[in-house]
Amino acid sequence: DGGITQSPKYLFRKEGQNVTLSCEQNLNHDAMYWYRQDPGQGLRLIYYSQIVNDFQKGDIAEGYSVSREKKESFPLTVTSAQKNPTAFYLCASSIGGPGELFFGEGSRLTVL
Amino acid sequence: QKEVEQNSGPLSVPEGAIASLNCTYSDRGSQSFFWYRQYSGKSPELIMFIYSNGDKEDGRFTAQLNKASQYVSLLIRDSQPSDSATYLCAVKLGNNNDMRFGAGTRLTVKP
Repeated sequence: DGGITQSPKYLFRKEGQNVTLSCEQNLNHDAMYWYRQDPGQGLRLIYYSQIVNDFQKGDIAEGYSVSREKKESFPLTVTSAQKNPTAFYLCASSIGGPGELFFGEGSRLTVL
Repeated sequence: QKEVEQNSGPLSVPEGAIASLNCTYSDRGSQSFFWYRQYSGKSPELIMFIYSNGDKEDGRFTAQLNKASQYVSLLIRDSQPSDSATYLCAVKLGNNNDMRFGAGTRLTVKP
């Protein structure tokens, strides 16, 4: 079955630690996105990539890093520089152009 | 001004009524417009998309787009308790195709 797989689903981190969230898609989509969602709020764009080896910052990129070495994969690293990392993180992909986004099931990160 | 704005609600309607959800956007070059439904703790799922001015109907859902007014809406007819969720308006910007979301409107359909 085609889709987007995010892992882990739940993650706990101590302050000062970097963590990496995985996102893999087998939809053959060119574009991939990372969003953050806080309780009662909409989705805010962290990073997006429209092609392998290229990515752009979204509105809240500070404290995050990404890579796009393969078309299928777009991992997000939450660094210790991110001051308030506890949130629900959503990865999505799109065929590109004006097409819709398809979402993974999300990763919930809690900083202890 | 936010790029995509929605009334946060909550919006409450009785079962069987029409629910009307509204969204405005700031980028006149925006190409495509989407409505996603999100249940609590879950990821968003696409309800409808619309690219051209006018109405687009799909079952109980109708999306309406007015590019001159920079306004998009979603009507849900014969609302059901299972429609209770947060509805997110999303707009693909014209400059670089990144997708921006509104804060969402929480809808409750009461039996």
